[in-house]
Amino acid sequence: DAKTTQPPSMDCAEGRAANLPCNHSTISGNEYVYWYRQIHSQGPQYIIHGLKNNETNEMASLIITEDRKSSTLILPHATLRDTAVYYCIVRSYYNAGNMLTFGGGTRLMVKP
Amino acid sequence: EAQVTQNPRYLITVTGKKLTVTCSQNMNHEYMSWYRQDPGLGLRQIYYSMNVEVTDKGDVPEGYKVSRKEKRNFPLILESPSPNQTSLYFCASRTASPTGELFFGEGSRLTVL
Repeated sequence: DAKTTQPPSMDCAEGRAANLPCNHSTISGNEYVYWYRQIHSQGPQYIIHGLKNNETNEMASLIITEDRKSSTLILPHATLRDTAVYYCIVRSYYNAGNMLTFGGGTRLMVKP
Repeated sequence: EAQVTQNPRYLITVTGKKLTVTCSQNMNHEYMSWYRQDPGLGLRQIYYSMNVEVTDKGDVPEGYKVSRKEKRNFPLILESPSPNQTSLYFCASRTASPTGELFFGEGSRLTVL
């Protein structure tokens, strides 16, 4: 699976949009982009995933560039409860073992 | 409520004393997996199971055993725990679809003295 690069930390004001970037320049055609987050030491929580089209759900939006080498997770109206470590993961559809490789992630701090 | 339940949530034990961390899911998921999380190393997969009686090694299986006799349960067994197995453990499950989201338990913090 392709590796990802994320900034180690970001701040965001409460109520504003949080835009978390992820670089995955070596991504291949059958690899999906996933986002999970981990609040403190709780179990990671799934946020969203996509292949090449932009995706939106009740939690967030995922914007994938046309060349698929990078993506952005958007939390439209960040709240204090969104403070967490956000992980961008790339994995192949054919990776049946589902060995998600969690890198360092981005520590998002939402401030009042 | 759909959930993955792990027990115990916290455990302090001594070297060599066999222990089992249980994991149960109520979503009828085919796939289950165990991860450990250590500072600076992220989450690493220990074992996974694609279905009942089907298990396979992940990235760091040494020192661990698993079994999948029932669909809902996937216990992690440490036959002879050692201090390097002190870690935060997570169980996860999903449907058979390889693109499905993983649902994680709340974690089990294990300390081996």
